[in-house]
Amino acid sequence: EAGVAQSPRYKIIEKRQSVAFWCNPISGHATLYWYQQILGQGPKLLIQFQNNGVVDDSQLPKDRFSAERLKGVDSTLKIQPAKLEDSAVYLCASSLRTSGHSNTGELFFGEGSRLTVL
Amino acid sequence: AQSVTQLGSHVSVSEGALVLLRCNYSSSVPPYLFWYVQYPNQGLQLLLKYTSAATLVKGINGFEAEFKKSETSFHLTKPSAHMSDAAEYFCAVKNLAAGNKLTFGGGTRVLVKP
Repeated sequence: EAGVAQSPRYKIIEKRQSVAFWCNPISGHATLYWYQQILGQGPKLLIQFQNNGVVDDSQLPKDRFSAERLKGVDSTLKIQPAKLEDSAVYLCASSLRTSGHSNTGELFFGEGSRLTVL
Repeated sequence: AQSVTQLGSHVSVSEGALVLLRCNYSSSVPPYLFWYVQYPNQGLQLLLKYTSAATLVKGINGFEAEFKKSETSFHLTKPSAHMSDAAEYFCAVKNLAAGNKLTFGGGTRVLVKP
């Protein structure tokens, strides 16, 4: 079974430039997550999709970050314009579903996209 | 609300020695708890999870964790460290009251000395 695919693996840009990251989740996984992992910290949830709808984007800096999952499968995370503090690894994860108290669904993570903003 | 605290950002152990990584959680309702491992330049991989069944949970690679409600803890242990255990370990919590959102601790980096 193919895992979560992310690209690009590495990206270096200058501040105020834009960047986009792509994620293809595991086939059949309805829920998709984008996490930001700053060096030395644990991952922080940016946005969570259930199919093509947003479940939680409370920690997404909406003035510069945007994400979409138009057909309920793959997703794109965009940063425009980038700031120095956006340097981090952006992790995409997917799970079968998220709703319901009985769901203890495991999240499957991609290898991440490492962004360096100069 | 929910949160996770991992005591010690770095742990150094000798090969063959006990590995003990500490995790304390805060949750307003019974939680689900997880330990993930991250090897350099890779994503996170699930080690084990607690889902309100047995309080002692066994995971992959010889790791286990015990859920202690009275101490709000979910410490991770492995009796004998191997060089391949060098990685970063993250404790995480989720519960229905928080919309099933997975919240991670700050991580503990494990160094294994020969």
